[in-house]
Amino acid sequence: NAGVMQNPRHLVRRRGQEARLRCSPMKGHSHVYWYRQLPEEGLKFMVYLQKENIIDESGMPKERFSAEFPKEGPSILRIQQVVRGDSAAYFCASSPGTGDRKEAFFGQGTRLTVV
Amino acid sequence: GIQVEQSPPDLILQEGANSTLRCNFSDSVNNLQWFHQNPWGQLINLFYIPSGTKQNGRLSATTVATERYSLLYISSSQTTDSGVYFCASPNQAGTALIFGKGTTLSVSS
Repeated sequence: NAGVMQNPRHLVRRRGQEARLRCSPMKGHSHVYWYRQLPEEGLKFMVYLQKENIIDESGMPKERFSAEFPKEGPSILRIQQVVRGDSAAYFCASSPGTGDRKEAFFGQGTRLTVV
Repeated sequence: GIQVEQSPPDLILQEGANSTLRCNFSDSVNNLQWFHQNPWGQLINLFYIPSGTKQNGRLSATTVATERYSLLYISSSQTTDSGVYFCASPNQAGTALIFGKGTTLSVSS
């Protein structure tokens, strides 16, 4: 049973370009979460999705950031017109989201560097 | 919203020593997770522990939900235990994990 898969592991973008981060949840998990970690800091929640639905996007910046989790394929976090302040590690987590066991498992992260 | 506080922020140990990391949360929770972020940045699940005590090898955790704290015990520490230890608890809506700022552990040989 493969874990949460994120790609790419490292991404370098010039200011103004677009960044697309992908996340495939664990098999059997229908709930996906995106978090951002700035250097020397903890993880900050961005968005929570289920298949084809955004459930909670309260942690996501209102502009330039969007997320989706289509019926088929991975979840995508998209950052348009990147700026240097977007440089961070972006982690995806998944959970079964049912019953009392909602343990979240994290991918290895995508480290975005904006130059 | 819920606040999660961890202590101490930093911990330096000699190999073989024991340690206790603490996590306080501001509101009643129905689950709590402990993670280890290794020096390569990978987040590893340690415990999913809403209440009670669990043990896994040299690590154990106890959550006292009524008193709003959890403890992570590391015994006979090894250099590979180095990294940042996070605790996290869901927000009231259950839609996100709220992370503490972590405890950075350095174990030297």
